[in-house]
Amino acid sequence: AQSVTQLGSHVSVSEGALVLLRCNYSSSVPPYLFWYVQYPNQGLQLLLKYTTGATLVKGINGFEAEFKKSETSFHLTKPSAHMSDAAEYFCAVSDEGNKLVFGAGTILRVKS
Amino acid sequence: GAVVSQHPSRVICKSGTSVKIECRSLDFQATTMFWYRQFPKKSLMLMATSNEGSKATYEQGVEKDKFLINHASLTLSTLTVTSAHPEDSSFYICSAPIAASTDTQYFGPGTRLTVL
Repeated sequence: AQSVTQLGSHVSVSEGALVLLRCNYSSSVPPYLFWYVQYPNQGLQLLLKYTTGATLVKGINGFEAEFKKSETSFHLTKPSAHMSDAAEYFCAVSDEGNKLVFGAGTILRVKS
Repeated sequence: GAVVSQHPSRVICKSGTSVKIECRSLDFQATTMFWYRQFPKKSLMLMATSNEGSKATYEQGVEKDKFLINHASLTLSTLTVTSAHPEDSSFYICSAPIAASTDTQYFGPGTRLTVL
């Protein structure tokens, strides 16, 4: 069975600081990995995904994530946080069948 | 981009009544849709996979007789919470892949159900 662990239910950074949201997964098959963002009262929006190929994946809004198979990790980063990045972020894993398994989510707070 | 809508956005009902939630793909056809439940301060849990023209596939532990799913057309799936109780209060979210072979899903904005 697949599972996802997101370390830290809440992360707080200052505006302009590095954002690092951690995600570790377990999967018995080569995983598809995703990061989604959820703003208040809105649906989940795909930030980026890894399926195959290049392990460093760039997404929208300046976010990127690196698939590290040896560490079973897919951490999300952004060099400089913006106030508009405040939201809840979900890491997810799937096999090829589209069924997503989500992590518990990390709420990102950006301080001015 | 592709859009998935849900209706209603929030509903309050009395215990024992049934509530229907609609999930629509607005500019694409979806042979498959997924229904999730999100508890406060917790992640999304997949409840079932809705298949157009056939029975839904439920995840382990989800009562199929309580959460009725109908996928009557290529753009509409409905989730009916039957004989709702306060413990069914939750945030229900649907999603749909834009094509059968794609790994990208689009999520609806969710429906907040409160059972009194």
